[in-house]
Amino acid sequence: GEDVEQSLFLSVREGDSSVINCTYTDSSSTYLYWYKQEPGAGLQLLTYIFSNMDMKQDQRLTVLLNKKDKHLSLRIADTQTGDSAIYFCAEHGSSNTGKLIFGQGTTLQVKP
Amino acid sequence: EAGVAQSPRYKIIEKRQSVAFWCNPISGHATLYWYQQILGQGPKLLIQFQNNGVVDDSQLPKDRFSAERLKGVDSTLKIQPAKLEDSAVYLCASSARDRETQYFGPGTRLLVL
Repeated sequence: GEDVEQSLFLSVREGDSSVINCTYTDSSSTYLYWYKQEPGAGLQLLTYIFSNMDMKQDQRLTVLLNKKDKHLSLRIADTQTGDSAIYFCAEHGSSNTGKLIFGQGTTLQVKP
Repeated sequence: EAGVAQSPRYKIIEKRQSVAFWCNPISGHATLYWYQQILGQGPKLLIQFQNNGVVDDSQLPKDRFSAERLKGVDSTLKIQPAKLEDSAVYLCASSARDRETQYFGPGTRLLVL
């Protein structure tokens, strides 16, 4: 079945790099997404990667995609206290509709 | 460009009462989604509209939940009667077309007592 797995918690020091990992079961998704959710807020699109790419860089964010292992990662360089939030990876799964399948979210704690 | 708007932001009701949520998508977006996010979990799709037609409502508990998008723009999600397990954040999202990037509203936080 469709499943997206993430580790639940990551703690880093301000200025360090953060790496959030995600694995998925379905490989038919054209795009894979990273969303950020701050307390009491909706989901903010951070970045996405096309399935035929291995890497995408966008300022402090680097997305790596390993299709063979069905593994997606998000690296945040020079992590700031404002990066503290829950991060969700998502993909469309096997459905031919727009439904997104989300992981359970990784809580990133940034210590000053 | 204005984002996805939702109201109310918070709602507290007692079980067996009814409640309705409203969503206004990004202008020009043909596809609208309602997701349910239970505390500690990722969002799960309830229903997807393409213009004013339903594309996917396989996960919508149709005995108590209903949704409409009459003119292909705004949408309303209703729960009647509410149960304790309906306590969650209800997120509306829109995309320009099906299977394109989805943009989310701030959500409506529902607490059922």
